[in-house]
Amino acid sequence: AQRVTQPEKLLSVFKGAPVELKCNYSYSGSPELFWYVQYSRQRLQLLLRHISRESIKGFTADLNKGETSFHLKKPFAQEEDSAMYYCALSPLNTDKLIFGTGTRLQVFP
Amino acid sequence: EADIYQTPRYLVIGTGKKITLECSQTMGHDKMYWYQQDPGMELHLIHYSYGVNSTEKGDLSSESTVSRIRTEHFPLTLESARPSHTSQYLCASSDGSINEQFFGPGTRLTVL
Repeated sequence: AQRVTQPEKLLSVFKGAPVELKCNYSYSGSPELFWYVQYSRQRLQLLLRHISRESIKGFTADLNKGETSFHLKKPFAQEEDSAMYYCALSPLNTDKLIFGTGTRLQVFP
Repeated sequence: EADIYQTPRYLVIGTGKKITLECSQTMGHDKMYWYQQDPGMELHLIHYSYGVNSTEKGDLSSESTVSRIRTEHFPLTLESARPSHTSQYLCASSDGSINEQFFGPGTRLTVL
């Protein structure tokens, strides 16, 4: 079955601390993986995708096929990073997204 | 300005009523999607459309129906609302070329 698991509902850190939001997936193949973010009172929006291998707002995510993981990392958290983060998987050759339950990141000053 | 709109933003309605949730986009996208999200849970795809007169059911079974008569418009209808339909409904669109979906603000539905 295709599934995305985000084991942490809430992650709290202090400003300047490193952040890692965990995402594991189950899929028999090579999916496309994404991180979407929802800031307070804003819409859900794409943060980054694994195929572009880019850093957005200091966040990076590496696809580990062996561990079937796509963890989101940032070396130094900022208060404005506080938001809800969703990991999502798109099966090959489809436009559908399968979402995890999300992790709320709280960054304290 | 290119955007995706959802109305109403909030709706409280009694059991048995027929409701239509509106979704419109001015992004020029062919592909549109409806997701359902219960509090603290993941988004589940309930309907999608790849263009005019194309509609498909998503991975989560839903009693709602959709139509796509115009490219920019993708309404969702519940013929007879029930308390189990209480949820947030999110509409999204994409042009399909890079698989990025753009989301509307959502409609929070409460059925009493």
